[in-house]
Amino acid sequence: KQEVTQIPAALSVPEGENLVLNCSFTDSAIYNLQWFRQDPGKGLTSLLLIQSSQREQTSGRLNASLDKSSGRSTLYIAASQPGDSATYLCAVENSGYALNFGKGTSLLVTP
Amino acid sequence: GAVVSQHPSRVICKSGTSVKIECRSLDFQATTMFWYRQFPKQSLMLMATSNEGSKATYEQGVEKDKFLINHASLTLSTLTVTSAHPEDSSFYICSARQGGLNSPLHFGNGTRLTVT
Repeated sequence: KQEVTQIPAALSVPEGENLVLNCSFTDSAIYNLQWFRQDPGKGLTSLLLIQSSQREQTSGRLNASLDKSSGRSTLYIAASQPGDSATYLCAVENSGYALNFGKGTSLLVTP
Repeated sequence: GAVVSQHPSRVICKSGTSVKIECRSLDFQATTMFWYRQFPKQSLMLMATSNEGSKATYEQGVEKDKFLINHASLTLSTLTVTSAHPEDSSFYICSARQGGLNSPLHFGNGTRLTVT
């Protein structure tokens, strides 16, 4: 059974810092890995999707990497802003279209 | 872009009553939708896969008679929590994929269910 772990569980940084969120998964036979953002009491916003054949994806200040063989992914956020404060979820897909989620990293960016 | 609409966003009901949650894909057709549940400080857990025109596939430990899923059209799936109890209080989120494998899943904004 796929298990997804995210470290750290919570992170607080001052505005402007670059930061890295980590995700690991136990079954490397994945179709893809996706990073989401979740604001309190809200649904999920898809940030980046990395296919199993890819190593990284970039969108604006976000960069996600994937090392499938080691079961790891990182989400890099450059020049963090208070508006980046949210919970970031990592999810992997093995088969059947559904996702296995980690518990998330709660990020607080202070002004 | 693709949008998934979920309704209601928040509902409070009494124990023993039933609650229906709707999930609609607004600008695309989704043969498959997924229902997740999230308890506080926990990850989203898949409850069931909803297939248009056929029975839903439930994850282990999810009671199909309690969580009724109907995917009657390519743009609408409903989750009905029957005879709700306080332990059913949770955040329920649906999702749908616009394309095939390796296309992003789009999520609704979720429904906060509180059973008193």
